[in-house]
Amino acid sequence: DQQVKQNSPSLSVQEGRISILNCDYTNSMFDYFLWYKKYPAEGPTFLISISSIKDKNEDGRFTVFLNKSAKHLSLHIVPSQPGDSAVYFCAARFRGGGNKLTFGTGTQLKVEL
Amino acid sequence: DAGVIQSPRHEVTEMGQEVTLRCKPISGHDYLFWYRQTMMRGLELLIYFNNNVPIDDSGMPEDRFSAKMPNASFSTLKIQPSEPRDSAVYFCASSYGQGRNSPLHFGNGTRLTVT
Repeated sequence: DQQVKQNSPSLSVQEGRISILNCDYTNSMFDYFLWYKKYPAEGPTFLISISSIKDKNEDGRFTVFLNKSAKHLSLHIVPSQPGDSAVYFCAARFRGGGNKLTFGTGTQLKVEL
Repeated sequence: DAGVIQSPRHEVTEMGQEVTLRCKPISGHDYLFWYRQTMMRGLELLIYFNNNVPIDDSGMPEDRFSAKMPNASFSTLKIQPSEPRDSAVYFCASSYGQGRNSPLHFGNGTRLTVT
């Protein structure tokens, strides 16, 4: 039972355009959401997060939006750069669940010149 | 800081053999996590420790899998006997505390292939 879903295995975007990565979740007990970025042959690294009491969090070129009623979040990257090409994992944490994260299956982003 | 260190980077073994994966967390971190990455299921949490004590092993697939943390600087994940379906990338991660300012720091993983 996949509680965090990333339905797009891959996404291709031109350099300078916006990249939008989507994530859906099924469990309303999740109260904190994170995005991790992973390059080949490396471990995932933390990118940005959002609490369930907010609907938007921005950090430079990266913005995460949360729609609680739809149980949906998205990561926007503007403008996209070739160095952003990586696998992006969406993750969620249960209220009171400490650092135990539930991850999605990932979306491979390719930013083309 | 060298980060989370995992060894080996690659492991190829035959079905039925014992496999041991190793992890050295970041010094001072009190939480350690073992994850497995597959195409179908993404990153799955297998087990995690707090102060060397296993807290939640509900993700361990079956009795063939076991994990230990004998001290704050070392953990192992053992598979005995290994099967082809265990082929995946296994990640170790550590963190300090469990607040929202305590992101997981991942190692570079061990790619396991069981033939």
